[in-house]
Amino acid sequence: EIVLTQSPATLSLSPGERATLSCRASQSVSSYLAWYQQKPGQAPRLLIYDASNRATGIPARFSGSGSGTDFTLTISSLEPEDFAVYYCQQRSNWPPFTWTFGQGTKVEIK
Amino acid sequence: QVQLQESGPGLVKPSGTLSLTCAVSGGSISSSNWWSWVRQPPGKGLEWIGEIYHSGSTNYNPSLKSRVTISVDKSKNQFSLKLSSVTAADTAVYYCARDQFTIFGVVTYGMDVWGQGTTVTVSS
Repeated sequence: EIVLTQSPATLSLSPGERATLSCRASQSVSSYLAWYQQKPGQAPRLLIYDASNRATGIPARFSGSGSGTDFTLTISSLEPEDFAVYYCQQRSNWPPFTWTFGQGTKVEIK
Repeated sequence: QVQLQESGPGLVKPSGTLSLTCAVSGGSISSSNWWSWVRQPPGKGLEWIGEIYHSGSTNYNPSLKSRVTISVDKSKNQFSLKLSSVTAADTAVYYCARDQFTIFGVVTYGMDVWGQGTTVTVSS
């Protein structure tokens, strides 16, 4: 079973700063690596799919990169609405097909 | 555009069976998509429960597989979740989501459409 480990658990930053979130897999994973943003009381929102593609309507300040076991979500300049919890997720590309989430990174206002 | 809406009892007794339905609107459940259930215990992270294809093929989280059944009703354009032998640890917000989509003619994976979630509490 693949485990996704996100770091840091909490990131304290100010608006306008750059945020770099890490997602590390316990073994090499498929290209089906996604990132989500979740705000309190809301469902998650897809930000990035296939490791580096922005979902429809997602601002260009969000970018994803990585392959194999190491993936990164970067927010180039934090806007007030970006303070939230972020999850990475991967889908296995061999049977049994499963989805796995990381434990999340909270981006909070410093 | 596709929208999802969860429904079902908000309170389930311990050892009972949790049953939820996800209604799909704005599109057909028989399109080339997988459909998932995800849950989130209070104050915790996201946990994938399982998924179903419109043909009825399923994949489940190994840690829940023995207690989970996901089914599809194409005539009603909806899919459902049953989780048996529930305990307080199954108390969570339950979401349904579409987990496969087509963009620029390419089919890929990611949960791009979510329901708003429904809270289920396991308590006597």
